[in-house]
Amino acid sequence: NAGVTQTPKFQVLKTGQSMTLQCAQDMNHNSMYWYRQDPGMGLRLIYYSASEGTTDKGEVPNGYNVSRLNKREFSLRLESAAPSQTSVYFCASRQVPYLGQFFGPGTRLTVL
Amino acid sequence: AQTVTQSQPEMSVQEAETVTLSCTYDTSENNYYLFWYKQPPSRQMILVIRQEAYKQQNATENRFSVNFQKAAKSFSLKISDSQLGDTAMYFCAFSRSGGSNYKLTFGKGTLLTVNP
Repeated sequence: NAGVTQTPKFQVLKTGQSMTLQCAQDMNHNSMYWYRQDPGMGLRLIYYSASEGTTDKGEVPNGYNVSRLNKREFSLRLESAAPSQTSVYFCASRQVPYLGQFFGPGTRLTVL
Repeated sequence: AQTVTQSQPEMSVQEAETVTLSCTYDTSENNYYLFWYKQPPSRQMILVIRQEAYKQQNATENRFSVNFQKAAKSFSLKISDSQLGDTAMYFCAFSRSGGSNYKLTFGKGTLLTVNP
């Protein structure tokens, strides 16, 4: 039981390049989330998927797209990376709200 | 929209002592959930403790306990018998209990250092 896994753990991009961050969970959770963490800002929600087949914008969706590939997998895509997207990205999943969300180990992304 | 405020950017405590981290929140909801997450240097987000707003009894998990004051919209975390491994960033988080989103709204965090 791996919980929530994310790949890659680290990535360096040049401005304008694209990439996809992968997330998978093996807990049979319905809801999945993408957050970004910046110094002094806490975690901010980028996109979420309340259930398989649905996705919705969070607080800071600009510059990102997501795909809920199946119940297990939820990917985050940067089409044209910008230095402002340098951050640590976390994927999380949840089954019932009172248990909170379970987080992956994070991806540290640097855009030069 | 909900907001979560952690007024202490940094705190320090001596090993074996007790420390309290503050959190206040703003919401018009009556039912909701509150959480404390710990983020050690490894970067992993770890759920420490949770509280359901309709429960008056304060949650406790081993050395961690909360002081939940619903009327004051306050949710502080007390760590007893502090250990070196408690050194981490601590985040307070809020979640609604209704709707389909259940997103977490985080405070900006408190960096806790436990000194030997």
